[in-house]
Amino acid sequence: NAGVTQTPKFQVLKTGQSMTLQCAQDMNHEYMSWYRQDPGMGLRLIHYSVGAGITDQGEVPNGYNVSRSTTEDFPLRLLSAAPSQTSVYFCASRPLEGNSGNTIYFGEGSWLTVV
Amino acid sequence: GNSVTQMEGPVTLSEEAFLTINCTYTATGYPSLFWYVQYPGEGLQLLLKATKADDKGSNKGFEATYRKETTSFHLEKGSVQVSDSAVYFCALLNTGGFKTIFGAGTRLFVKA
Repeated sequence: NAGVTQTPKFQVLKTGQSMTLQCAQDMNHEYMSWYRQDPGMGLRLIHYSVGAGITDQGEVPNGYNVSRSTTEDFPLRLLSAAPSQTSVYFCASRPLEGNSGNTIYFGEGSWLTVV
Repeated sequence: GNSVTQMEGPVTLSEEAFLTINCTYTATGYPSLFWYVQYPGEGLQLLLKATKADDKGSNKGFEATYRKETTSFHLEKGSVQVSDSAVYFCALLNTGGFKTIFGAGTRLFVKA
Protein backbone atom coordinates (compact mmCIF):
# COMPACT_ATOMS: atom_id res chain seq x y z
CA ASN A 1 0.00 0.00 0.00
CA ALA A 2 1.98 3.00 -1.30
CA GLY A 3 -0.15 5.82 0.19
CA VAL A 4 1.31 9.24 -0.66
CA THR A 5 4.51 9.16 -2.72
CA GLN A 6 6.74 12.19 -3.23
CA THR A 7 9.74 12.58 -5.50
CA PRO A 8 12.52 13.58 -5.36
CA LYS A 9 13.48 13.11 -1.72
CA PHE A 10 16.46 15.46 -1.96
CA GLN A 11 17.21 18.24 -4.45
CA VAL A 12 19.70 21.09 -4.71
CA LEU A 13 18.80 23.96 -7.02
CA LYS A 14 20.55 27.12 -8.09
CA THR A 15 18.77 30.43 -7.66
CA GLY A 16 16.53 31.08 -10.63
CA GLN A 17 16.13 27.46 -11.68
CA SER A 18 12.71 25.87 -11.94
CA MET A 19 11.66 22.42 -10.89
CA THR A 20 8.65 20.26 -10.12
CA LEU A 21 8.05 18.23 -6.99
CA GLN A 22 5.92 15.23 -7.81
CA CYS A 23 3.17 13.85 -5.59
CA ALA A 24 0.94 10.86 -6.21
CA GLN A 25 -1.58 9.07 -4.01
CA ASP A 26 -3.30 5.75 -4.61
CA MET A 27 -6.12 6.11 -2.06
CA ASN A 28 -8.58 7.92 -4.36
CA HIS A 29 -8.56 10.94 -2.04
CA GLU A 30 -10.32 14.04 -3.31
CA TYR A 31 -8.28 16.46 -1.22
CA MET A 32 -4.56 16.99 -1.79
CA SER A 33 -2.25 19.67 -0.46
CA TRP A 34 1.31 20.89 -0.22
CA TYR A 35 2.92 22.15 2.99
CA ARG A 36 6.35 23.50 3.71
CA GLN A 37 8.04 22.92 7.04
CA ASP A 38 10.51 25.43 8.41
CA PRO A 39 12.18 25.49 11.85
CA GLY A 40 10.01 27.19 14.46
CA MET A 41 7.16 27.74 12.01
CA GLY A 42 5.52 24.35 11.84
CA LEU A 43 3.72 23.44 8.66
CA ARG A 44 2.41 26.15 6.38
CA LEU A 45 -0.07 25.42 3.61
CA ILE A 46 1.10 26.37 0.12
CA HIS A 47 -1.72 25.17 -2.19
CA TYR A 48 -4.51 22.69 -2.00
CA SER A 49 -7.04 20.95 -4.24
CA VAL A 50 -10.44 19.40 -3.56
CA GLY A 51 -10.62 17.51 -6.82
CA ALA A 52 -9.37 17.24 -10.37
CA GLY A 53 -9.39 20.62 -12.06
CA ILE A 54 -9.81 22.55 -8.78
CA THR A 55 -6.97 24.25 -6.94
CA ASP A 56 -6.73 27.06 -4.41
CA GLN A 57 -4.11 29.01 -2.52
CA GLY A 58 -2.99 28.38 1.03
CA GLU A 59 -1.19 30.84 3.28
CA VAL A 60 2.18 30.94 1.44
CA PRO A 61 1.45 30.46 -2.31
CA ASN A 62 3.87 32.99 -3.81
CA GLY A 63 6.53 31.45 -6.04
CA TYR A 64 4.67 28.16 -6.44
CA ASN A 65 2.19 26.79 -8.97
CA VAL A 66 0.06 23.66 -8.86
CA SER A 67 -2.29 21.79 -11.14
CA ARG A 68 -4.61 18.84 -10.63
CA SER A 69 -5.32 17.07 -13.89
CA THR A 70 -6.08 13.71 -12.26
CA THR A 71 -7.28 12.56 -8.84
CA GLU A 72 -3.96 10.80 -8.21
CA ASP A 73 -1.39 13.50 -9.00
CA PHE A 74 -0.71 16.95 -7.56
CA PRO A 75 2.66 18.36 -8.69
CA LEU A 76 4.16 21.49 -7.14
CA ARG A 77 6.17 23.76 -9.44
CA LEU A 78 8.79 26.23 -8.33
CA LEU A 79 8.90 28.84 -11.06
CA SER A 80 12.20 30.60 -10.24
CA ALA A 81 13.81 29.17 -7.13
CA ALA A 82 14.97 31.51 -4.38
CA PRO A 83 17.02 30.76 -1.22
CA SER A 84 13.88 31.54 0.84
CA GLN A 85 12.33 28.41 -0.68
CA THR A 86 14.88 26.18 1.01
CA SER A 87 12.64 23.97 3.09
CA VAL A 88 11.15 20.54 3.56
CA TYR A 89 8.04 20.03 1.46
CA PHE A 90 5.25 17.63 2.34
CA CYS A 91 2.44 16.46 0.14
CA ALA A 92 -0.69 15.29 1.95
CA SER A 93 -4.09 13.91 1.05
CA ARG A 94 -7.37 12.92 2.66
CA PRO A 95 -10.85 11.85 1.63
CA LEU A 96 -13.57 14.47 1.96
CA GLU A 97 -16.18 12.09 3.32
CA GLY A 98 -16.44 8.98 5.42
CA ASN A 99 -15.26 8.02 8.88
CA SER A 100 -11.63 8.85 8.17
CA GLY A 101 -12.54 11.95 6.18
CA ASN A 102 -10.78 14.31 8.53
CA THR A 103 -7.44 12.47 8.91
CA ILE A 104 -4.69 13.71 6.62
CA TYR A 105 -2.03 11.36 5.23
CA PHE A 106 1.47 12.62 4.52
CA GLY A 107 4.24 11.71 2.14
CA GLU A 108 7.77 11.28 3.46
CA GLY A 109 8.92 14.74 2.46
CA SER A 110 11.19 16.39 -0.09
CA TRP A 111 14.26 18.23 1.17
CA LEU A 112 14.98 21.20 -1.12
CA THR A 113 18.03 23.44 -0.90
CA VAL A 114 18.35 26.55 -3.06
CA VAL A 115 21.87 27.97 -3.33
CA GLY B 1 -9.34 32.97 11.81
CA ASN B 2 -8.38 29.48 12.90
CA SER B 3 -5.10 28.92 14.71
CA VAL B 4 -3.28 26.49 16.95
CA THR B 5 -0.79 27.37 19.67
CA GLN B 6 1.35 24.76 21.33
CA MET B 7 4.12 24.95 23.89
CA GLU B 8 7.58 25.65 22.65
CA GLY B 9 10.20 22.99 22.90
CA PRO B 10 12.36 21.23 23.11
CA VAL B 11 11.03 19.20 25.99
CA THR B 12 13.63 16.90 27.55
CA LEU B 13 12.51 14.11 29.87
CA SER B 14 13.98 11.02 31.41
CA GLU B 15 12.53 7.65 30.53
CA GLU B 16 9.34 6.81 32.48
CA ALA B 17 8.62 10.48 33.23
CA PHE B 18 5.16 12.01 32.78
CA LEU B 19 4.62 14.03 29.61
CA THR B 20 2.33 16.97 28.99
CA ILE B 21 2.43 19.06 25.82
CA ASN B 22 -0.01 21.95 25.90
CA CYS B 23 -2.16 22.90 22.92
CA THR B 24 -4.82 25.59 22.65
CA TYR B 25 -6.81 26.59 19.62
CA THR B 26 -8.90 29.35 18.12
CA ALA B 27 -11.68 28.37 15.76
CA THR B 28 -14.90 29.91 14.51
CA GLY B 29 -16.84 26.65 14.42
CA TYR B 30 -16.62 23.21 16.03
CA PRO B 31 -13.35 21.76 14.84
CA SER B 32 -11.93 18.27 14.93
CA LEU B 33 -8.64 18.21 16.84
CA PHE B 34 -5.60 16.08 16.18
CA TRP B 35 -2.14 15.21 17.38
CA TYR B 36 0.34 14.17 14.71
CA VAL B 37 3.84 12.80 15.36
CA GLN B 38 6.91 13.16 13.16
CA TYR B 39 9.83 10.80 13.70
CA PRO B 40 13.26 11.84 12.35
CA GLY B 41 13.42 11.88 8.57
CA GLU B 42 9.79 10.96 8.12
CA GLY B 43 6.48 12.58 7.32
CA LEU B 44 3.79 13.25 9.88
CA GLN B 45 1.45 10.50 10.96
CA LEU B 46 -1.73 10.63 12.97
CA LEU B 47 -1.28 9.87 16.67
CA LEU B 48 -4.82 10.50 17.92
CA LYS B 49 -7.86 12.65 17.31
CA ALA B 50 -11.13 13.86 18.81
CA THR B 51 -14.08 15.15 16.85
CA LYS B 52 -16.33 16.73 19.49
CA ALA B 53 -16.23 18.31 22.92
CA ASP B 54 -15.31 16.02 25.84
CA ASP B 55 -14.09 13.28 23.49
CA LYS B 56 -10.83 11.64 24.52
CA GLY B 57 -8.45 10.44 21.84
CA SER B 58 -5.92 7.78 22.78
CA ASN B 59 -3.22 5.72 21.11
CA LYS B 60 0.07 4.08 22.15
CA GLY B 61 -0.36 5.29 25.74
CA PHE B 62 -0.92 8.91 24.67
CA GLU B 63 -4.17 10.68 25.53
CA ALA B 64 -5.77 14.05 24.84
CA THR B 65 -9.21 15.37 25.83
CA TYR B 66 -11.13 17.91 23.75
CA ARG B 67 -11.96 20.75 26.18
CA LYS B 68 -14.26 23.27 24.55
CA GLU B 69 -14.55 25.47 27.64
CA THR B 70 -10.79 26.05 27.70
CA THR B 71 -10.27 25.55 23.92
CA SER B 72 -7.52 23.06 24.71
CA PHE B 73 -6.33 19.63 23.59
CA HIS B 74 -3.30 18.85 25.76
CA LEU B 75 -1.29 15.71 25.01
CA GLU B 76 -0.34 13.45 27.93
CA LYS B 77 1.50 10.21 28.49
CA GLY B 78 2.08 8.62 31.86
CA SER B 79 5.48 7.05 31.18
CA VAL B 80 7.54 8.07 28.15
CA GLN B 81 10.06 5.88 26.39
CA VAL B 82 13.17 6.73 24.38
CA SER B 83 11.26 5.66 21.27
CA ASP B 84 8.77 8.52 21.89
CA SER B 85 11.45 11.05 20.92
CA ALA B 86 9.91 12.94 18.01
CA VAL B 87 8.20 16.19 17.05
CA TYR B 88 4.54 16.46 18.04
CA PHE B 89 2.08 18.67 16.18
CA CYS B 90 -1.34 19.77 17.37
CA ALA B 91 -3.79 20.47 14.53
CA LEU B 92 -7.39 21.37 13.82
CA LEU B 93 -9.84 21.01 10.96
CA ASN B 94 -12.91 23.14 11.15
CA THR B 95 -16.34 21.73 10.40
CA GLY B 96 -16.97 21.91 6.67
CA GLY B 97 -13.47 23.24 6.09
CA PHE B 98 -10.75 21.93 3.81
CA LYS B 99 -7.56 23.15 5.44
CA THR B 100 -5.91 21.38 8.35
CA ILE B 101 -4.16 24.01 10.50
CA PHE B 102 -1.02 22.94 12.37
CA GLY B 103 0.77 24.30 15.40
CA ALA B 104 4.50 24.99 15.28
CA GLY B 105 5.41 21.59 16.70
CA THR B 106 7.06 20.55 19.97
CA ARG B 107 10.23 18.51 19.90
CA LEU B 108 10.48 15.84 22.61
CA PHE B 109 13.76 14.25 23.68
CA VAL B 110 13.60 11.27 26.01
CA LYS B 111 16.83 10.21 27.73
CA ALA B 112 17.53 6.66 28.83
